[in-house]
Amino acid sequence: SAVISQKPSRDICQRGTSLTIQCQVDSQVTMMFWYRQQPGQSLTLIATANQGSEATYESGFVIDKFPISRPNLTFSTLTVSNMSPEDSSIYLCSVDSGTSGGSYRNEQFFGPGTRLTVL
Amino acid sequence: AQSVSQHNHHVILSEAASLELGCNYSYGGTVNLFWYVQYPGQHLQLLLKYFSGDPLVKGIKGFEAEFIKSKFSFNLRKPSVQWSDTAEYFCAVRKGSNYKLTFGKGTLLTVNP
Repeated sequence: SAVISQKPSRDICQRGTSLTIQCQVDSQVTMMFWYRQQPGQSLTLIATANQGSEATYESGFVIDKFPISRPNLTFSTLTVSNMSPEDSSIYLCSVDSGTSGGSYRNEQFFGPGTRLTVL
Repeated sequence: AQSVSQHNHHVILSEAASLELGCNYSYGGTVNLFWYVQYPGQHLQLLLKYFSGDPLVKGIKGFEAEFIKSKFSFNLRKPSVQWSDTAEYFCAVRKGSNYKLTFGKGTLLTVNP
């Protein structure tokens, strides 16, 4: 299994500012994912980040609001831009277990999450 | 759109009681099914998974789940819960040829000693 770390673990931010969340994996992985877990809600996929290509965003999420970088096979960042209180949530990074990426036999492993509060 | 329903928001049991958490999904094709657990203060961990074959799958810590295709269900069971099973449990579904997971809203299990 992959060991995933995220920074920061939590933050309190002011409305209108931006926060960049880092995700580091202890092994090379093809596919990385960013999820949001709002209070009392399930995990919602924001985007899929593959190294060397643009992130693929899910319906309701846009690059201007959630820019993602994936500079190499062990690291990714998610920025939450121009924040509002509605962005208060837990943001989770996850990785696909396969090195070839996308196999339906793969599992996803999750990081500890970043708890964001926007005032 | 594919959806995943977990019937119970919060379940409270005493130690040694039996557990069954419901999970239903809406997608009619081939699916992969997962149960994740999140213990207090910890990250999401995979409890068990179903890809194909025997519909009764066994996971870690004595948990099992049964895939019933005709009912679009993947219920989680444990014959005798322990206080340490207190956690939030998430059911997740993936279409057979897709990498994306769709999660249910989660069930908080509280086990009283």
